[in-house]
Amino acid sequence: QLQLHESGPGRVKPSGSLSLSCTVSGGSMNSGRYYWGWVRQPPGKGLEWIGSIISDGVNSLFNPSLKSRVTISVDTAKNQFYLTLRSVSAADTAVYYCGKTVTGTLGDGFDLWGQGTVVTVSS
Amino acid sequence: QSLLTQPPSVSGVPGQRVTISCSGSDSNVGSSAVNWYQHVPGKSPKLLIIYDDVLPSDVSDRFSGSKSGTSAALAISGLQSEDEAEYYCASWDDSLYGYVFGTGTKVTVL
Repeated sequence: QLQLHESGPGRVKPSGSLSLSCTVSGGSMNSGRYYWGWVRQPPGKGLEWIGSIISDGVNSLFNPSLKSRVTISVDTAKNQFYLTLRSVSAADTAVYYCGKTVTGTLGDGFDLWGQGTVVTVSS
Repeated sequence: QSLLTQPPSVSGVPGQRVTISCSGSDSNVGSSAVNWYQHVPGKSPKLLIIYDDVLPSDVSDRFSGSKSGTSAALAISGLQSEDEAEYYCASWDDSLYGYVFGTGTKVTVL
């Protein structure tokens, strides 16, 4: 049974970069064609999709509001995928979730989620 | 500012049926499948509905989804205290070329 687990620094300084990893356990990322992605929830606000990458890494999609600051990559040999968000500010403080889609179509939704990791942008 | 609009809150007594609306447009709900998620504070979101009205195997049949035009809805029948959570609709948006979540609806069991 696949499980996801986020990891990374809990605090990032303003103007710095936020880097998170998501480790897939209980199976291989190559077991099927899925989108692996990131979603966040700022304090007191709703869920926001950040971006997603397909299993083989050849296609990635991003929220236009974040696209200029986001990189998502995948390392199937390590069964991990990653998020980098540059030039962060207090507005990027949030719980960050990694997730996997039901199918190879992003619009089909995320059926598997990590437990979430809190990232605070503060000096 | 989300492209999918939901009521901020909905409430009901145990056993009641409540409905949550999700209003979108031709570029999202009107042309793509709608998903629904349940998000209990401190936990990970849970996928409740896929393809507008399909329940994943691990979801109670007290939940049901529907869609008409550019609006979708999630119904919870036989409301239980464990249903207290935030609920989000979501869909692919052709104009944004991305996945969008609704504004979220807090369900309170009185």
